[in-house]
Amino acid sequence: GENVEQHPSTLSVQEGDSAVIKCTYSDSASNYFPWYKQELGKRPQLIIDIRSNVGEKKDQRIAVTLNKTAKHFSLHITETQPEDSAVYFCAASKAAGNKLTFGGGTRVLVKP
Amino acid sequence: DTEVTQTPKHLVMGMTNKKSLKCEQHMGHRAMYWYKQKAKKPPELMFVYSYEKLSINESVPSRFSPECPNSSLLNLHLHALQPEDSALYLCASSQEIDGAEQFFGPGTRLTVL
Repeated sequence: GENVEQHPSTLSVQEGDSAVIKCTYSDSASNYFPWYKQELGKRPQLIIDIRSNVGEKKDQRIAVTLNKTAKHFSLHITETQPEDSAVYFCAASKAAGNKLTFGGGTRVLVKP
Repeated sequence: DTEVTQTPKHLVMGMTNKKSLKCEQHMGHRAMYWYKQKAKKPPELMFVYSYEKLSINESVPSRFSPECPNSSLLNLHLHALQPEDSALYLCASSQEIDGAEQFFGPGTRLTVL
């Protein structure tokens, strides 16, 4: 089955700096890669996603890049703010069945 | 209504009790999911329903019994649970089962004594 590795497990950045989280996946048939943000005690919320026919996608301060050949994808957050502090999960799935396999999560702390 | 709702928010039960978790969505989504999330871990898929039929069972013990009575409702019946089953149980839904975005409910925090 699919295996998703996520790094780093914790990330501390100064407010205004950028944060980068990287994930690798094992199944070359995976074609959908969402990123979820989960604040303490809250539900995971989809913040951005990318499909295998696209190399990069941006939404305001958040961007995701995908390298299908290397089987890795990354989340970039620019101009970080304290409210960006949360746990971020990457995930991968194939269209058939839509079974999401999550990475281990990255705890991001943005220091004011 | 653009949210997935779950009840109850918290549940404490003994190992001999029978209880049920409920999930509801009114977004017209045809796929619904149950996940289990332990503290500081990612969600783990338990079950997937597509068009009210069980599509995926991730080898979940039979003490967890899912039910999809209609396209808007998903239940998880619990019986004879173990303390290690204590976790946050998340429901999610998506438009279809074919690689569509999944939207999560707030979860039910379950404690088994």
